[in-house]
Amino acid sequence: RKEVEQDPGPFNVPEGATVAFNCTYSNSASQSFFWYRQDCRKEPKLLMSVYSSGNEDGRFTAQLNRASQYISLLIRDSKLSDSATYLCVVNMVQAGTALIFGKGTTLSVSS
Amino acid sequence: DGGITQSPKYLFRKEGQNVTLSCEQNLNHDAMYWYRQDPGQGLRLIYYSQIVNDFQKGDIAEGYSVSREKKESFPLTVTSAQKNPTAFYLCASSLDLNYGYTFGSGTRLTVV
Repeated sequence: RKEVEQDPGPFNVPEGATVAFNCTYSNSASQSFFWYRQDCRKEPKLLMSVYSSGNEDGRFTAQLNRASQYISLLIRDSKLSDSATYLCVVNMVQAGTALIFGKGTTLSVSS
Repeated sequence: DGGITQSPKYLFRKEGQNVTLSCEQNLNHDAMYWYRQDPGQGLRLIYYSQIVNDFQKGDIAEGYSVSREKKESFPLTVTSAQKNPTAFYLCASSLDLNYGYTFGSGTRLTVV
């Protein structure tokens, strides 16, 4: 079983749409969770950490479901500038030494 | 401003040559990492170091070597034994995995 799985997409949405991405992880003992954003040919940048109680940053909402071992990212009122690849990232404590990355979900927002 | 710097941004290598990619950070992070990313693929861990003078192989270490003589620096050498080195190489550092990584801007290596 892959450790962190994401639907690769692409998700093609119009401006103003709401879009949601899910990610599943294999290790129930995982400790911390993140969403990173990667623009084409650039480095990944931290979008937000994901907390057990869920958290929101402007148009972005992240949720964690430990029982089902999945993480979600909701983007409301999509902008053209949201077009990017979104990486789900997990700190699997048993792995101990490095973060585990999903392959990413590609979002394309069009006018 | 604190950050992590990779150089060069673009690198061209002839077959049979070794090349070294630089990664320097002034964030005072203990842990540093090297990843490789191929088009349409996820990040694959090459090597990591949690402390000076110590480093560990990641998932795809064959054909690569590293050193960690200083806390700030973690250079990666791509040797001639790496048969398919053309890729985007990313260096990262971390204070604590619960806070995530900071990435450098990457080096794009092409074999010519």
